[in-house]
Amino acid sequence: DGGITQSPKYLFRKEGQNVTLSCEQNLNHDAMYWYRQDPGQGLRLIYYSQIVNDFQKGDIAEGYSVSREKKESFPLTVTSAQKNPTAFYLCASSRDSTALYSNQPQHFGDGTRLSIL
Amino acid sequence: QKEVEQNSGPLSVPEGAIASLNCTYSDRGSQSFFWYRQYSGKSPELIMSIYSNGDKEDGRFTAQLNKASQYVSLLIRDSQPSDSATYLCAVKSGNNRLAFGKGNQVVVIP
Repeated sequence: DGGITQSPKYLFRKEGQNVTLSCEQNLNHDAMYWYRQDPGQGLRLIYYSQIVNDFQKGDIAEGYSVSREKKESFPLTVTSAQKNPTAFYLCASSRDSTALYSNQPQHFGDGTRLSIL
Repeated sequence: QKEVEQNSGPLSVPEGAIASLNCTYSDRGSQSFFWYRQYSGKSPELIMSIYSNGDKEDGRFTAQLNKASQYVSLLIRDSQPSDSATYLCAVKSGNNRLAFGKGNQVVVIP
């Protein structure tokens, strides 16, 4: 089945530790996105990538890093510089990589819940 | 002004009634509009997309778009307990980024 797989479902981070969240898609989508959701809040964009080997900062990129070495994969690293990492992290993908397909929706993985130990 | 705004507070509706959700947006150049449903503890699921002024119906859901007034709404007819969830309005701007509202919680009372 086609879809977006995020792992792990739950993750605990020790102080000073970097952790990496995995996101893999087999939908052949060009664009991939990382969002953070805090309780009672909407989704805030961390990073996005419209094509392999390229990515842009979103609204809250500080303390996070990403890579896009393969079309299928867009891992997110939460670094020790992110002082308040506890949140629900959502990865999404969409078919479009340019404005020509601006009507393409984003589809989400099941998410990863990150907490501090 | 926030990019996408949704009414605050949970919406309680009796089973079988119509639930009405509204969303306003600030970017007049926005072209694509989406409604996502998010059950508690789960990820958002796309339920409706709309691109042209007017109504778009899909089953019990109707999305309405008015670009001149910069609002988009979602109607849920014959509300069922399974419709109890948070509904997120999302608007795509010219840079292909989606801006999300904070969501409206809907509680359908049996």
